[in-house]
Amino acid sequence: NAGVTQTPKFQVLKTGQSMTLQCAQDMNHNSMYWYRQDPGMGLRLIYYSASEGTTDKGEVPNGYNVSRLNKREFSLRLESAAPSQTSVYFCASSPGQGAEAFFGQGTRLTVV
Amino acid sequence: QKEVEQNSGPLSVPEGAIASLNCTYSDRGSQSFFWYRQYSGKSPELIMFIYSNGDKEDGRFTAQLNKASQYVSLLIRDSQPSDSATYLCAVNPAGGGNKLTFGTGTQLKVEL
Repeated sequence: NAGVTQTPKFQVLKTGQSMTLQCAQDMNHNSMYWYRQDPGMGLRLIYYSASEGTTDKGEVPNGYNVSRLNKREFSLRLESAAPSQTSVYFCASSPGQGAEAFFGQGTRLTVV
Repeated sequence: QKEVEQNSGPLSVPEGAIASLNCTYSDRGSQSFFWYRQYSGKSPELIMFIYSNGDKEDGRFTAQLNKASQYVSLLIRDSQPSDSATYLCAVNPAGGGNKLTFGTGTQLKVEL
């Protein structure tokens, strides 16, 4: 059981480049999340998907788009990367309403 | 006012002592509360969850919830150097769907 798997683990982008962060879970969870973590800011929710076929904005959605491809996969896309998007990105999944979330290993993204 | 607030620390305790970590939340209707531990450079891992007022014990860890005062705490008994990490409080707000809102975390240092 791999749990939540994120790819890539590290990435360096130039300003203006685009990329997609991939996330997959094998726990048959309904809900999936994308967070970013910056020093002193804690984990901030970017987007989440309560169930397959639905997505909603979180606290800091600007500059990002998401796709819930199927129940297993939830991707995060940066269309035009900016230095302010330098961060550690975590994908998480949860069985559903009110339940705990399980995290992937994170993607460390640097935008130069 | 932040939805979930924690003292950033660092909180320093001697080995073998009790560490007390606190968290307050603003949404009175919140139903689910979680404590995560995060080692430097790693992803958050769930250590406790609590849904009802009172105490919940799991090994050396005790979570305490007081909904009337809107706070949740984590006690770590017989603290070990391996407990040195950042502890994140997470809350599932009422009407927030399945999303979890995190505090900024408290850094705990257990000293020999």
